[in-house]
Amino acid sequence: DIQMTQSPSSLSAYVGDRVTITCRASQSISNYLNWYQQKATEAPKLLISTASGLRSGVPSRFSGSGSGTVFTLTINSLQPEDLATYYCQQSYSSPITFGQGTRLEIK
Amino acid sequence: QVQLQESGPGLVKPSETLSLTCTVSDHSFISGYFWGWIRQPPGRGLEWVASIYHSGSTYYNPSLESRVTISEDTSRNQVSLKLGSVTAADTAVYYCAGGVMQGSWPIAYWGQGTLVTVSS
Repeated sequence: DIQMTQSPSSLSAYVGDRVTITCRASQSISNYLNWYQQKATEAPKLLISTASGLRSGVPSRFSGSGSGTVFTLTINSLQPEDLATYYCQQSYSSPITFGQGTRLEIK
Repeated sequence: QVQLQESGPGLVKPSETLSLTCTVSDHSFISGYFWGWIRQPPGRGLEWVASIYHSGSTYYNPSLESRVTISEDTSRNQVSLKLGSVTAADTAVYYCAGGVMQGSWPIAYWGQGTLVTVSS
């Protein structure tokens, strides 16, 4: 199985800050990497696919980059509604695996 | 807009079989889509359980493969999950989810989730 490791596990930032979350794969997954946002008591929501493709309707302050084994999710100008847990997920090979999640808090 | 709705018992006894059904909105249960189940134990992360493609091909998480079956009923636009010999470790919110078989196969569609508790 491909292991996905996110860092940090949690972080706290101010409104307006730039936030970066890193996701590392235990082997190369090309760009078969997706990012999700999960707010409390809600289902996850797709933000980014193929490492950097912003889903229609997702605010442009969200961006993704990377390929191979290292990927990043960046939130520019953090907003209060970005309070959530963020997950990366690989679809390069079965079984599909998720990172453990990064909990983002607003100071 | 694709919509998914899970249904099934919220309480299952240990050693019994968990059975869930997901109804997918009209016009969505067509070739080119994949559907599946993802679960999330209380306070924990996401775990993929199983997927099925319109061709009928099925894929299972190896850690659950001996106990799980996913199936589809295309006439009813439904996907079903059965997980046998459940224990307390199977207590989780179970999400029906799916997407288009393109690119990185992103999971674009999610149900609201249904909490299944394993307890006597």
